Amino acid sequence: NAGVTQTPKFQVLKTGQSMTLQCAQDMNHEYMSWYRQDPGMGLRLIHYSVGAGITDQGEVPNGYNVSRSTTEDFPLRLLSAAPSQTSVYFCASTYGALNTEAFFGQGTRLTVV
Amino acid sequence: KNEVEQSPQNLTAQEGEFITINCSYSVGISALHWLQQHPGGGIVSLFMLSSGKKKHGRLIATINIQEKHSSLHITASHPRDSAVYICAVDSGNTPLVFGKGTRLSVIA
Repeated sequence: NAGVTQTPKFQVLKTGQSMTLQCAQDMNHEYMSWYRQDPGMGLRLIHYSVGAGITDQGEVPNGYNVSRSTTEDFPLRLLSAAPSQTSVYFCASTYGALNTEAFFGQGTRLTVV
Repeated sequence: KNEVEQSPQNLTAQEGEFITINCSYSVGISALHWLQQHPGGGIVSLFMLSSGKKKHGRLIATINIQEKHSSLHITASHPRDSAVYICAVDSGNTPLVFGKGTRLSVIA
């Protein structure tokens, strides 16, 4: 098993550009989430999904879209990048809601100029 | 929403010292996770626990459900333990809620 594969590792965007962060897991996990990590803020939830076809907003969803067409993939889309979206992004997955270990992607360091 | 507080925010220790990192939360949970993040690196799971104590090598995690408190201990600390340690709580049917992390530096 590869675990959680997150790409790219680094990205620089110009304000207004769009891009998609990819996240895939091969563990047949139901729950997948996207977080952003900013200095002094900890990890904050952007969007999450409890299964294919089901997504919901987290604490900081504005400016981001997600979809979950398959169990394996959970891409995060930035529609029109803004400097405030400069951050480190992590994708995470767990098998179910309760008492299961969380697995994380390697992170994406995004800079918007 | 569960509020998760970690202390201390920053910690510097000499090699060999015993280290304790604390985590408290405001609402009852089903499980608590301790995670490790090395500089520039990804996040890995150290422990998941819902009661009592777990031990893995030099790391020990404890949780007191009644007091809504958990501790992560590192015995005989080593410079390679230098990392950010993050506490996260699982309240069931909702995504994890994270503390802000404790940055640990162990000096040789």
